Amino acid sequence: EPEVTQTPSHQVTQMGQEVILRCVPISNHLYFYWYRQILGQKVEFLVSFYNNEISEKSEIFDDQFSVERPDGSNFTLKIRSTKLEDSAMYFCASSRFGQSDTQYFGPGTRLTVL
Amino acid sequence: AQSVSQHNHHVILSEAASLELGCNYSYGGTVNLFWYVQYPGQHLQLLLKYFSGDPLVKGIKGFEAEFIKSKFSFNLRKPSVQWSDTAEYFCAVNREYGNKLVFGAGTILRVKS
Repeated sequence: EPEVTQTPSHQVTQMGQEVILRCVPISNHLYFYWYRQILGQKVEFLVSFYNNEISEKSEIFDDQFSVERPDGSNFTLKIRSTKLEDSAMYFCASSRFGQSDTQYFGPGTRLTVL
Repeated sequence: AQSVSQHNHHVILSEAASLELGCNYSYGGTVNLFWYVQYPGQHLQLLLKYFSGDPLVKGIKGFEAEFIKSKFSFNLRKPSVQWSDTAEYFCAVNREYGNKLVFGAGTILRVKS
């Protein structure tokens, strides 16, 4: 069964550094998402992406964040200048259709900002 | 703002006991409802979902959930749990024409063998 994959599984970085988290969505999916879960808190929506554009973003997704689909398979989340509070598990998800289709999640990248 | 409440953070059951995990949401419009499960060391997987039609939804591994619109609830049930059901369970909601999933805090279920 096709799966969403994410790399790396764990990323450690220094405060102020840029990080890029990578995701490979399921191949025939058209909608892509990033969520995060800070330890002990709820899974929170960050952004959705369709047709090479952001379709929806949360208030968390400020100018420090950006997303990109650089080629036909990868979907990336960049954090320009990491803060301590960016430490979290970041989940990528994809769906074939938008508008409430099932979202399939990757295993997550644990980001630790020191 | 949309929010989702899961009533129990930790539940411990013996094998063969019945399970009911509560989920309530706060949104007045049409919603789509999901239960996801995360087994230890694995990623979030869909258990079941409700979009429309029969409010009693059956999912994988013997789970079911009932949508009660008047109570804004979508409770998850299983008549007889197994040790392998030990996992964290998440209720999630999105609006009829939205992409964003709003998650509850999760319920950690431990089943004692």
